[in-house]
Amino acid sequence: ILNVEQSPQSLHVQEGDSTNFTCSFPSSNFYALHWYRWETAKSPEALFVMTLNGDEKKKGRISATLNTKEGYSYLYIKGSQPEDSATYLCAFRGSARQLTFGSGTQLTVLP
Amino acid sequence: KAGVTQTPRYLIKTRGQQVTLSCSPISGHRSVSWYQQTPGQGLQFLFEYFSETQRNKGNFPGRFSGRQFSNSRSEMNVSTLELGDSALYLCASSLMMTGTAEETQYFGPGTRLLVL
Repeated sequence: ILNVEQSPQSLHVQEGDSTNFTCSFPSSNFYALHWYRWETAKSPEALFVMTLNGDEKKKGRISATLNTKEGYSYLYIKGSQPEDSATYLCAFRGSARQLTFGSGTQLTVLP
Repeated sequence: KAGVTQTPRYLIKTRGQQVTLSCSPISGHRSVSWYQQTPGQGLQFLFEYFSETQRNKGNFPGRFSGRQFSNSRSEMNVSTLELGDSALYLCASSLMMTGTAEETQYFGPGTRLLVL
């Protein structure tokens, strides 16, 4: 059974704060690491797909880094806004091909 | 382009009954995957269909089954429902089979099933 862990489980920040969270995954048989944002009552939305060690991706105020050798990825949000409040999921794709999801980090941005 | 749609959105069943959930992928997408989310659990992979064939299966009992039609629409069936099957069921579609490393899955809004 693959272990994909996310920390922290939940996070409250003030509007304007920058924040980051972690996804840990197996460092062997790595194919890709996906990040999704899941707002309440909506569908999970794809943020990034990362495949190469050292990859850095950016979308507006959100960015992510990848370290496949040590098995972790960081997601950063700069200047958090209330609309960033959501659950952020990472998903590992290994040789078995299907995505294995972490339990998510629930972010609440307080105005 | 219309997104992934799932019907019904909400469903209440009783133990022992069976249920069928439907998923229509994004036009042109040929792969459909199904996931279950229960409280406190991450999304758990059920199975993936591509070109009407099941390509991959998660660790769920045989009561969970699915199929895909020639237009790529997919259905998931759960027989002999148990209380523990109460969950949000999500489907996701992608252009190709999810063996492609960078292939992104696009999710539907889910069907929330309550088993009484």
